[in-house]
Amino acid sequence: NAGVTQTPKFQVLKTGQSMTLQCAQDMNHNSMYWYRQDPGMGLRLIYYSASEGTTDKGEVPNGYNVSRLNKREFSLRLESAAPSQTSVYFCASTERLRPYEQYFGPGTRLTVT
Amino acid sequence: DQQVKQNSPSLSVQEGRISILNCDYTNSMFDYFLWYKKYPAEGPTFLISISSIKDKNEDGRFTVFLNKSAKHLSLHIVPSQPGDSAVYFCAASYMEYGNKLVFGAGTILRVKS
Repeated sequence: NAGVTQTPKFQVLKTGQSMTLQCAQDMNHNSMYWYRQDPGMGLRLIYYSASEGTTDKGEVPNGYNVSRLNKREFSLRLESAAPSQTSVYFCASTERLRPYEQYFGPGTRLTVT
Repeated sequence: DQQVKQNSPSLSVQEGRISILNCDYTNSMFDYFLWYKKYPAEGPTFLISISSIKDKNEDGRFTVFLNKSAKHLSLHIVPSQPGDSAVYFCAASYMEYGNKLVFGAGTILRVKS
């Protein structure tokens, strides 16, 4: 079991460029989440998907879009990157029976110049 | 507004002594609380949780205490070990909020040997 995997691990973008962060889980979890972590601010929810085929905005969705491609995969897209989106991005998933115990991926460190 | 607050950015403790990490919350709807641990360059991992119907939950060296009237919870680590050095995030949720979590900003724990 790989758990939650994220690609890429690191990325540098120029302002205005676009990119997609990939996330996959092999635990047959229903819910998946995207967070960003910034110094002094903890983890803030960007988007989440309660189940395959559904997505909803979290606390900080502006500038992002998501796709729940299937039960395993949940991608995060930055259409036009801005320096304010420089952050570490984490994907997480949970199973139905233990909905609060989230399993996190290793993160993607994104720098926008 | 920060609904979950960890007011101590860092804590330094001698090996073998007790570490106490604190967390305050403002939303009285919260009824489930968790602690996550994060090592550098890794994603957070679930550590321990407590439901609002309890005031204490213990798992090995880790104990979480909940004081609902004060809207305060704490994580005790006894005895502290150098491997406990990490960032600790407090998180909270409630049923109507779905399976989403609200995280605090984190506390860096350093255990000195």
